[in-house]
Amino acid sequence: NAGVTQTPKFRILKIGQSMTLQCTQDMNHNYMYWYRQDPGMGLKLIYYSVGAGITDKGEVPNGYNVSRSTTEDFPLRLELAAPSQTSVYFCASSPRASGGGTDTQYFGPGTRLTVL
Amino acid sequence: AQSVTQLGSHVSVSEGALVLLRCNYSSSVPPYLFWYVQYPNQGLQLLLKYTSAATLVKGINGFEAEFKKSETSFHLTKPSAHMSDAAEYFCAVCPGYSSASKIIFGSGTRLSIRP
Repeated sequence: NAGVTQTPKFRILKIGQSMTLQCTQDMNHNYMYWYRQDPGMGLKLIYYSVGAGITDKGEVPNGYNVSRSTTEDFPLRLELAAPSQTSVYFCASSPRASGGGTDTQYFGPGTRLTVL
Repeated sequence: AQSVTQLGSHVSVSEGALVLLRCNYSSSVPPYLFWYVQYPNQGLQLLLKYTSAATLVKGINGFEAEFKKSETSFHLTKPSAHMSDAAEYFCAVCPGYSSASKIIFGSGTRLSIRP
């Protein structure tokens, strides 16, 4: 199993450009998440999904959009990139839609995004 | 509301010395607690988790953590540091029985190992 894969690994955007960060998992997990990690900070949840067709906002959703058309894929869209969105973005997945926080999250390797 | 505080953004120990990374939490309900490790240029991976069973939790790579309700702490320890332990460590808290979307991460502690 590849686990959670993310593309691209690195990207530089100009202010106002848009892009999609791709995330795919091959573990048939129901839950998927997008986090951002700013220097010296913990992870902040952007959006999450409990299954195909269902998404919900996390702590810092402004400036982002998501979709979940399949169990495997959970792309994150930035419509109008701003310098404040410079960060490292992590996608994660976990197995169950219930069972609480006991479910281990599996993380992808991250996408390092710079907005200039 | 839940929160987690990691004391010390950077900890440096000698190879073979005790590793102690501190984490204190705040939770209005019985919490689940986690330690994750992040190696350079990689995603996070779970070291160990506390889910209201045994208070002393053993994880991978020789790490363990003890849940102390009276001190609201969940410190991570390893008896003897190895060079390969150099990484960023994150403590996280989740309200018991909530979905993982409610997990709150601490700001991280960078562990350096001196030869």
